[in-house]
This record gives sequence, structure tokens and C-alpha cells, in this order.
Amino acid sequence: EAQVTQNPRYLITVTGKKLTVTCSQNMNHEYMSWYRQDPGLGLRQIYYSMNVEVTDKGDVPEGYKVSRKEKRNFPLILESPSPNQTSLYFCASSLRGGQPQHFGDGTRLSIL
Amino acid sequence: AQRVTQPEKLLSVFKGAPVELKCNYSYSGSPELFWYVQYSRQRLQLLLRHISRESIKGFTADLNKGETSFHLKKPFAQEEDSAMYYCALSGHTGGFKTIFGAGTRLFVKA
Repeated sequence: EAQVTQNPRYLITVTGKKLTVTCSQNMNHEYMSWYRQDPGLGLRQIYYSMNVEVTDKGDVPEGYKVSRKEKRNFPLILESPSPNQTSLYFCASSLRGGQPQHFGDGTRLSIL
Repeated sequence: AQRVTQPEKLLSVFKGAPVELKCNYSYSGSPELFWYVQYSRQRLQLLLRHISRESIKGFTADLNKGETSFHLKKPFAQEEDSAMYYCALSGHTGGFKTIFGAGTRLFVKA
């Protein structure tokens, strides 16, 4: 089944403790992206990747890192999480940039 | 600046009534425009894209370049249409960043 898989689905952690949210897609898509969803603000793009080893900042990249070493994986790294990064995070992928995106189920992060 | 505006946070209509969810955008160039839907407890999924010009679940959306709008319409709303709807754009300008609107929650009353 074609899908985007995120892990973990839920995480409660503390300020400053590094964490990684994994994202994997099995559709051989070139474009992958991370978003955060906050009430009243919709989805805001954090980082995106047009292909392997190519990443670019979205609208809210501060406090996040990403890497794209393989086509299928696009992990989101919070080196020193802070409470304002408490949010619902979505990973998505598409065949190429500008194409419809397939979304994962989301990861709910709570940073205390 | 690239921007997507959905002016209504909540839209409540009766079953069988027409519905229009508004989307206005600001973009330098020719954007790719999309409507995504998120039903309760489900992942976001594509509803429509402007170049396909097809009707999905009875919804249509017309791109009006003069008014920079991409409103979503359905002539007769159904209860199962209740969901969160997001308008989004992407394109060459800005290197294929994707911009989402804040979303409109549609509630269809019986």
C-alpha cells in the first residue's frame, strides 16, 4: 500500500532533550516535506526536500533540522526542543515539487 | 509575498444547501493550487487540484486569475462533507515551497 509513515505518533518529552521524528515513503517520490499544524494557523511548512541531498527552508525552520540521505526517508530533528514546538507535525511527499502531496498520519509532540 | 487566505474559520450550512469555501491567494507567477480535506481523525488528503478541472465528491473549484481566487463549491451539501478544508499553493517561484491557508471548518447540519 502506498503510504507515508511517521514515527512516533505521540511523544511527550522535556525541554532540551534531542528528538527525531522519522518519516518514510514507499512511492519513490522526489519531494518530501514537514509541516506543523497549530490551531488557527493551518499548516506551516518547516522544511522541504526536492530530492536526495537537497533541502530548503520553509516558512518556520527555526529550531529544526532535516536530512535527506535516502530518497525514501526524511527525518525531522529537534536538537534542543522548547515548549513553543509543541504541535502536531505532518510529513508529506509528492512525485515532484508542485504536485499533490500524500500525508502521513501526524505526530503529536508535547514539550514540557 | 506568497500567501493563501481563507477568510472563514467556520462555515455552517444545512444539508442540501449550497456551500462555497473561499480561497484567495497572492503569488508572483502561475501557481499550482490545491484543496485538501481532513475528515475527523483522518489524515489530510487531496480533494482537488486546479489543472484537473474534475469534480470530486460533488465539489468543484475554479481558478480565477483576475481575482486571484480558487473557491471551492458544492451545490448540495451532505452531512459527510463536514470536515476541515485547506487551500494550498505551490510553484516555481519560491522554489516549490508549499503555502497553506489557515483552513475552514465546514459543518453540515441535518
